[in-house]
Amino acid sequence: DTAVSQTPKYLVTQMGNDKSIKCEQNLGHDTMYWYKQDSKKFLKIMFSYNNKELIINETVPNRFSPKSPDKAHLNLHINSLELGDSAVYFCASSQVVPYEQYFGPGTRLTVT
Amino acid sequence: GDSVTQMEGPVTLSEEAFLTINCTYTATGYPSLFWYVQYPGEGLQLLLKATKADDKGSNKGFEATYRKETTSFHLEKGSVQVSDSAVYFCALRTNTGNQFYFGTGTSLTVIP
Repeated sequence: DTAVSQTPKYLVTQMGNDKSIKCEQNLGHDTMYWYKQDSKKFLKIMFSYNNKELIINETVPNRFSPKSPDKAHLNLHINSLELGDSAVYFCASSQVVPYEQYFGPGTRLTVT
Repeated sequence: GDSVTQMEGPVTLSEEAFLTINCTYTATGYPSLFWYVQYPGEGLQLLLKATKADDKGSNKGFEATYRKETTSFHLEKGSVQVSDSAVYFCALRTNTGNQFYFGTGTSLTVIP
């Protein structure tokens, strides 16, 4: 069974478009996260949600917005896509205790 | 602020060589420390963890010891295999709040 899943796996789109990436976890975890990994493999946390409340919001552009319809889902919406948004986006989840994170397979976003 | 610094790669080793990837951290209090591994085209997977000083995490032949006195959590393996080729990330979780910090990743290539 897949623990943390993301769709789509690949996303190619043009500048200015709006897109969404979906994430679901079946682990019963309390907290979910979104990370951005650039071409040099640098991993940057973007958001985390705990019990449907945003608890970390790093300095990301407000074009990015997380949406959590329930504890098992955390979707990422991106408006007005820019070339610099091209990256691999990872969803992750964790329990409060123990708190190691479980990552999804990633979504490779390419903006042309 | 809290941070993680790990040795830059890439690292190339011959099969059965000894591996060390250095990781040091800056944090207040007693963070939890992790090593994650990312195989090509996949998401990050937890490799091992340590939650208090002098704890040793181990998995799949990899080990790391939480050294409070040197603020380090170096990853070691006595004999690497080709299948260990991946990117390795050191990470910490603060003991206040639920914030994670990842290192920049170290790419390891093991050649036969």
